[in-house]
Amino acid sequence: DAGVIQSPRHEVTEMGQEVTLRCKPISGHDYLFWYRQTMMRGLELLIYFNNNVPIDDSGMPEDRFSAKMPNASFSTLKIQPSEPRDSAVYFCASSFSAGLQETQYFGPGTRLLVL
Amino acid sequence: AQSVTQLGSHVSVSEGALVLLRCNYSSSVPPYLFWYVQYPNQGLQLLLKYTTGATLVKGINGFEAEFKKSETSFHLTKPSAHMSDAAEYFCAVSPSGGGADGLTFGKGTHLIIQP
Repeated sequence: DAGVIQSPRHEVTEMGQEVTLRCKPISGHDYLFWYRQTMMRGLELLIYFNNNVPIDDSGMPEDRFSAKMPNASFSTLKIQPSEPRDSAVYFCASSFSAGLQETQYFGPGTRLLVL
Repeated sequence: AQSVTQLGSHVSVSEGALVLLRCNYSSSVPPYLFWYVQYPNQGLQLLLKYTTGATLVKGINGFEAEFKKSETSFHLTKPSAHMSDAAEYFCAVSPSGGGADGLTFGKGTHLIIQP
């Protein structure tokens, strides 16, 4: 399996621009998670989906952030408008929740820099 | 609510020496505990996890961790450090087995291996 795929790997944009991050989970997984990693706050859960339905978005920082999962093989995280404080590494992870032995598998991340 | 505290943002050991990375957690429910490793510019990889059963958990690359409920700890150890162990290590907690809930991470510990 190719693992969790994220694109782009790097994104540089200017303040006020719209940014879209993409994620393809591992085939067959029914959970998808979005995390953000910054020096100040560490790794934080933003939102997660089960069977394409958002379950908990309490970690989404503000209305500028939105996430969708139109089908089982694709999710997007959008920031509009972007701000310099959004600069971070954004990780997508997926899992198959068949029981206690299941694990979240992380993608390589998207490194976002907002100027 | 759950939280994780990792003692020491940086730990330096000599090659061949014992590695000990400390993790304490707070959880209102029986916790499920994880250690992840992150190599530079890569995603997170699961080292090991505790769900139920034996409190001493063995993981990949010679690492192990022991769940101590009385001490609310889940410290990570490796008998003999190798240069390839240099990385960032994250302890995490979840109210479930990890597949169906978001993970709450500690701030991470940067492991430095001295030749």
